[in-house]
Amino acid sequence: SQQGEEDPQALSIQEGENATMNCSYKTSINNLQWYRQNSGRGLVHLILIRSNEREKHSGRLRVTLDTSKKSSSLLITASRAADTASYFCATASDSNYQLIWGAGTKLIIKP
Amino acid sequence: DTEVTQTPKHLVMGMTNKKSLKCEQHMGHRAMYWYKQKAKKPPELMFVYSYEKLSINESVPSRFSPECPNSSLLNLHLHALQPEDSALYLCASSQFEGQHRELFFGEGSRLTVL
Repeated sequence: SQQGEEDPQALSIQEGENATMNCSYKTSINNLQWYRQNSGRGLVHLILIRSNEREKHSGRLRVTLDTSKKSSSLLITASRAADTASYFCATASDSNYQLIWGAGTKLIIKP
Repeated sequence: DTEVTQTPKHLVMGMTNKKSLKCEQHMGHRAMYWYKQKAKKPPELMFVYSYEKLSINESVPSRFSPECPNSSLLNLHLHALQPEDSALYLCASSQFEGQHRELFFGEGSRLTVL
């Protein structure tokens, strides 16, 4: 079942700009993960943030987590054409080991 | 580069055919997964194997039959599929089941049922 809601559903920006995607969820979580999927290909794990963490960085990626609002955001700085992909958030809870996926945000970086 | 290998990359089959999808990982992971993904949708969990035993079957129709011959291999046997089963089938692995760790996905097998 789907727990996550992501917004926007689609985002188109110019190369070099920053891209921000949001994810909201409904139940308490152990961690929240972000994945990238290039068109028609497999998903690639980007970053995992635990429920006791508020912010995490990995290269040009910055993830924040607000457990009081049950939401997370993924910021990609200085976007590149290669960042064009769909981005999914997924949550893991202590009561359900399996990941619950958001609907995804389709990001298009215009050269 | 993915360390989970799926074959074939593309498969076209008729509704009366029997075919199999294969998945292999050599990361020593003890949990392996099959997901189904329709266009513009998130992946849907089908099966989970933990230590080569079926741990979760998400009420998948019996025309899909999973098999885990050993800790590195995962198969999905397909028989009497319907056109609505056309989708991208993704294999994934994780170090263990239930550890809330990240999943490593293969590139997927694109299945078309005629």
